[in-house]
Amino acid sequence: SQKIEQNSEALNIQEGKTATLTCNYTNYSPAYLQWYRQDPGRGPVFLLLIRENEKEKRKERLKVTFDTTLKQSLFHITASQPADSATYLCALMKTSYDKVIFGPGTSLSVIP
Amino acid sequence: SQTIHQWPATLVQPVGSPLSLECTVEGTSNPNLYWYRQAAGRGLQLLFYSVGIGQISSEVPQNLSASRPQDRQFILSSKKLLLSDSGFYLCAWSPGTNAQYFGPGTRLTVL
Repeated sequence: SQKIEQNSEALNIQEGKTATLTCNYTNYSPAYLQWYRQDPGRGPVFLLLIRENEKEKRKERLKVTFDTTLKQSLFHITASQPADSATYLCALMKTSYDKVIFGPGTSLSVIP
Repeated sequence: SQTIHQWPATLVQPVGSPLSLECTVEGTSNPNLYWYRQAAGRGLQLLFYSVGIGQISSEVPQNLSASRPQDRQFILSSKKLLLSDSGFYLCAWSPGTNAQYFGPGTRLTVL
């Protein structure tokens, strides 16, 4: 069955540094990979989507890479701020109208 | 612009009681609709998804059911709640551009 793994430990980084979160998957060939942010008690918020034929995508301080050979995506937040503290979820999708499979999430804390 | 509503925001129910959670989307037509459950400190578990009126796919066998009586309305139900049904229930919609947009969620506690 499909399996998605994200950083098993919570990630603590100093303000201003770059945070790098990892998403690995097995037994799956997604056409799309998404990243979401979730704050406590709230629903996830969509951040970025990258397609299988794209190597990298950027949006302001966010950068996502997608390596279909390694079956891995990296999510970077540059110049991190305490307001970036949240849980970040990666999600996979085969087609535009398919269900989305979410990873367990990684908790990020940015320390002032 | 599109908005998604869920209610109630919180709910405390006794074991064995029925459940009805409602989700509606405004500002779009024929969206894909989803119900997820998130247990404390856990990831999102997909329960049901629907690509059209009356079309429901179930992902996890359980005592929950879903219905889509109208294009932009999605209802999650149970005839008899179990303790294990406690959790954070999230409704989401997708316009077919792959991103999912989540509602504010319902915190359900079964006692």
